[in-house]
Amino acid sequence: NAGVMQNPRHLVRRRGQEARLRCSPMKGHSHVYWYRQLPEEGLKFMVYLQKENIIDESGMPKERFSAEFPKEGPSILRIQQVVRGDSAAYFCASSPTVYSGNTIYFGEGSWLTVV
Amino acid sequence: SQQGEEDPQALSIQEGENATMNCSYKTSINNLQWYRQNSGRGLVHLILIRSNEREKHSGRLRVTLDTSKKSSSLLITASRAADTASYFCATVRNTNAGKSTFGDGTTLTVKP
Repeated sequence: NAGVMQNPRHLVRRRGQEARLRCSPMKGHSHVYWYRQLPEEGLKFMVYLQKENIIDESGMPKERFSAEFPKEGPSILRIQQVVRGDSAAYFCASSPTVYSGNTIYFGEGSWLTVV
Repeated sequence: SQQGEEDPQALSIQEGENATMNCSYKTSINNLQWYRQNSGRGLVHLILIRSNEREKHSGRLRVTLDTSKKSSSLLITASRAADTASYFCATVRNTNAGKSTFGDGTTLTVKP
């Protein structure tokens, strides 16, 4: 049973370009979460999605960031017009249900570098 | 200070010694989880402890939770060089398991 798959693992973008990060949850998991980790810091919650629905986007920056989890295919975190401050590791996690007694499973992360 | 704050920020010990890391938080929680992160890698779940539990064990790991003090500790006994990593606590406040609040972590270095 494959774990949470993220790609690309490393991405370099110039300022002003777009970054697209993909996440395929574990098999059977319908809940996806995105987190961002700045250097030397812990993870910060960004958004929680179920298939075709954004449930909680309270951690998403108001501009340039968007996320989706379509009926078919992976979840996508999209960052438009990237700036240097967007350089970070972006982690996706998934869970089978929303119950708080469940462990959530993290992917290996996508490291975005904006030059 | 933020929810889920670890202490110390960095810890360096010799192989075979025990390592203790602490986590403090501010609000009421449903559960608290500890994770490990090797440099450049994702997070590995270590232990989940529920708010009505006081202590849990898993192999060489022991986690305590004191809800009256809003604090938790992670003890790694008989440490190994392979335990070198960053350790994070994460709190879950409500029924949404995925919306966790992480601290900034403790970086543990175990010298062989």
